[in-house]
Amino acid sequence: AQTVTQSQPEMSVQEAETVTLSCTYDTSESDYYLFWYKQPPSRQMILVIRQEAYKQQNATENRFSVNFQKAAKSFSLKISDSQLGDAAMYFCAYRVYSGGGADGLTFGKGTHLIIQP
Amino acid sequence: DAMVIQNPRYQVTQFGKPVTLSCSQTLNHNVMYWYQQKSSQAPKLLFHYYDKDFNNEADTPDNFQSRRPNTSFCFLDIRSPGLGDAAMYLCATSRDTGQGNSPLHFGNGTRLTVT
Repeated sequence: AQTVTQSQPEMSVQEAETVTLSCTYDTSESDYYLFWYKQPPSRQMILVIRQEAYKQQNATENRFSVNFQKAAKSFSLKISDSQLGDAAMYFCAYRVYSGGGADGLTFGKGTHLIIQP
Repeated sequence: DAMVIQNPRYQVTQFGKPVTLSCSQTLNHNVMYWYQQKSSQAPKLLFHYYDKDFNNEADTPDNFQSRRPNTSFCFLDIRSPGLGDAAMYLCATSRDTGQGNSPLHFGNGTRLTVT
């Protein structure tokens, strides 16, 4: 079974600084997809960024970027110029696509990100 | 705006009393998921519907059932809630485009309390 590990239960960063959230996963598959989701307090979970395992280029979405190391099975999220609105729970998630349906995501336990003003 | 709506936001039920949580979507997505999220734990997939086809996770207890009467609605039934079933329940949707990078769209969740 696939597992996703987020080793940092909580991280704190000063506003405008850069922070990196760690994620590792365990899989025997070669083709899969990785996601970072953000869950603000009492609000819905929303997609931050995604990465296809077959792509070598790291995904980037504005201030958010990933460092995808396939051999190391590592998928970290970097948030640049941190803003107060970035404060949330961040979940790393994995999906292997079987092709016959739409498999759900396997999530890590999350990292609580605190932004210090 | 197209969205995923869960009702109620908070639900309190008694030990052993059946309860139903509801989810609706205006995204017209063909896949709907139910996740259980306990405090400090990873969201756990219970089951999903691909159109009308039900897909149960191997470790989902029989106490949990689901119904999808049409594309827009999906229900989570807990037949005899136990104290251990207290959690946030998340509904999500996605469109199967033939690629695994289709994101899930989540509702706000229903927080279930069992007394």
